[in-house]
Amino acid sequence: KAGVTQTPRYLIKTRGQQVTLSCSPISGHRSVSWYQQTPGQGLQFLFEYFSETQRNKGNFPGRFSGRQFSNSRSEMNVSTLELGDSALYLCASSLDRTAYGYTFGSGTRLTVV
Amino acid sequence: GNSVTQMEGPVTLSEEAFLTINCTYTATGYPSLFWYVQYPGEGLQLLLKATKADDKGSNKGFEATYRKETTSFHLEKGSVQVSDSAVYFCAPAESQGNLIFGKGTKLSVKP
Repeated sequence: KAGVTQTPRYLIKTRGQQVTLSCSPISGHRSVSWYQQTPGQGLQFLFEYFSETQRNKGNFPGRFSGRQFSNSRSEMNVSTLELGDSALYLCASSLDRTAYGYTFGSGTRLTVV
Repeated sequence: GNSVTQMEGPVTLSEEAFLTINCTYTATGYPSLFWYVQYPGEGLQLLLKATKADDKGSNKGFEATYRKETTSFHLEKGSVQVSDSAVYFCAPAESQGNLIFGKGTKLSVKP
């Protein structure tokens, strides 16, 4: 059974640019969440999508956005990149959050220069 | 929202030593509780979970018990191995379902 797949694994972008990250959840999982991991702030929740609708959102500026497609694949977009956006972005999918928790992907390492 | 306080690391142990990583949380209601582990250069792996009071989660020799009286979910292992070296995260769920992560505890196990 394939796990959660995130692409690309590594990205280098310049300040002011925008970036799109992709996540393919485990087959059958309709919930997809995104988290940002930095050394200073740790792991922080960005947003969650379920059946193509944003179900929950963390405390991030509007430059961070996401969407989910009918096949449950999800993308997140960061516009007008800042140096502080450099982080590991983790995607997680779930069949039932309470019963099973989340399965995480290996992440996309974004570096903004 | 919920919050979590996790034992600061790093923790360095010798192989076969006993491990405890403390985790306490504040929450409304009784959230599901999780421990995740992160190996270098990788994402998070679910280690164990407990969904209601007095539940004991266990996996790979690790255990944690949901203590609602003390709002704690301490992680324990009786005999650690070098391969257990990683960063461990305690994570209660918010009422909306997202996870709140502790700062993480880095464990190094020496042979």
